[in-house]
Amino acid sequence: AQSVSQHNHHVILSEAASLELGCNYSYGGTVNLFWYVQYPGQHLQLLLKYFSGDPLVKGIKGFEAEFIKSKFSFNLRKPSVQWSDTAEYFCAVAGGYQKVTFGIGTKLQVIP
Amino acid sequence: GAVVSQHPSRVICKSGTSVKIECRSLDFQATTMFWYRQFPKKSLMLMATSNEGSKATYEQGVEKDKFLINHASLTLSTLTVTSAHPEDSSFYICSALAGRSATEAFFGQGTRLTVV
Repeated sequence: AQSVSQHNHHVILSEAASLELGCNYSYGGTVNLFWYVQYPGQHLQLLLKYFSGDPLVKGIKGFEAEFIKSKFSFNLRKPSVQWSDTAEYFCAVAGGYQKVTFGIGTKLQVIP
Repeated sequence: GAVVSQHPSRVICKSGTSVKIECRSLDFQATTMFWYRQFPKKSLMLMATSNEGSKATYEQGVEKDKFLINHASLTLSTLTVTSAHPEDSSFYICSALAGRSATEAFFGQGTRLTVV
């Protein structure tokens, strides 16, 4: 069975601070990895994804994530956050049959 | 990107009644859709995988007779919560696979169900 662990449940940062959200997964086979974002009152949206190739993946709005296979990790980063990045972020893994398993989510609050 | 529409976005029902939630893929065909439930301060929990033209596959611990799933067409899956109880109150989200090789999941806006 696949599982996802997100280390930070609630993060508060000032604008322009750097962000790194931890994500570890467990699965015995090949996985696809995702970060989703949910802005207040909106749908879940895909931020970025990793299927294969370059382990450093760039997504929308200046976010990136690095897949480190040896550590089973897929941490999300942004060099300088903005107030508009306030949202909830979910790491997710899709293994067999494309069933997507989500982490518990991290609420990010950016203070102007 | 692909659009998934979920209806209704909010519903309040009385205990003992049934509620149907629809999930539609608006601009693509989806042979596979997923239904999730989100508990407060918890992650989205996969309830079942809905396959067009066949029976849904339920996750362990999910009552298939209580949460009826029908995927009668390539653009519509429905989740019916039967004989609803207050503990069924939750946020339900569907997703559909789209994109090249149907590997990307797009989500509906979710349905807030309150059972009184």
